[in-house]
Amino acid sequence: SQQGEEDPQALSIQEGENATMNCSYKTSINNLQWYRQNSGRGLVHLILIRSNEREKHSGRLRVTLDTSKKSSSLLITASRAADTASYFCAETSGSRLTFGEGTQLTVNP
Amino acid sequence: ETGVTQTPRHLVMGMTNKKSLKCEQHLGHNAMYWYKQSAKKPLELMFVYNFKEQTENNSVPSRFSPECPNSSHLFLHLHTLQPEDSALYLCASSPRAYYDQETQYFGPGTRLLVL
Repeated sequence: SQQGEEDPQALSIQEGENATMNCSYKTSINNLQWYRQNSGRGLVHLILIRSNEREKHSGRLRVTLDTSKKSSSLLITASRAADTASYFCAETSGSRLTFGEGTQLTVNP
Repeated sequence: ETGVTQTPRHLVMGMTNKKSLKCEQHLGHNAMYWYKQSAKKPLELMFVYNFKEQTENNSVPSRFSPECPNSSHLFLHLHTLQPEDSALYLCASSPRAYYDQETQYFGPGTRLLVL
């Protein structure tokens, strides 16, 4: 079965609104990372949260981790049109990143 | 820019062709990776190189042949591919493999179309 499954698969919001994406995973993790991918481009690392952390912030990004539920969420506050992209969570085991299918976020101006 | 470059950015090839994808990282990293990204599927790890040595082959068909001549360069040699191999091929690097506190830096990818 697939790990790092994102929910929803697609999200469309208006500029200025907040966007929340969720990720579930099935095994114990060492850490979990979130990446962003603009259409047809490579992935860009956004944030890493360790298994002993519950919340982490970076600019307009807020990531939470609930190891009891094996889930994580990514919140983007005050979204901008430039935030339009696909967002992936990736659980980390050693150097192996296991990605989910991603959430396609569209921020309408 | 992430410090990882890939060439070519787009490639169209026939099933009998032989071509190579190139990846170069300017970050001083020691681990490099090839991923395949197909439509509607998660990224699939193909190969891992750590200090120029291949440490993982994720059951990749032999028509894909990686080469890592040094820690800064990674190639993916392609021959007799199938149409289902059409995908975005992403290269990534990290300071070292098998250290899970580190992130990976991705190149922009090569969009491959096999006819």
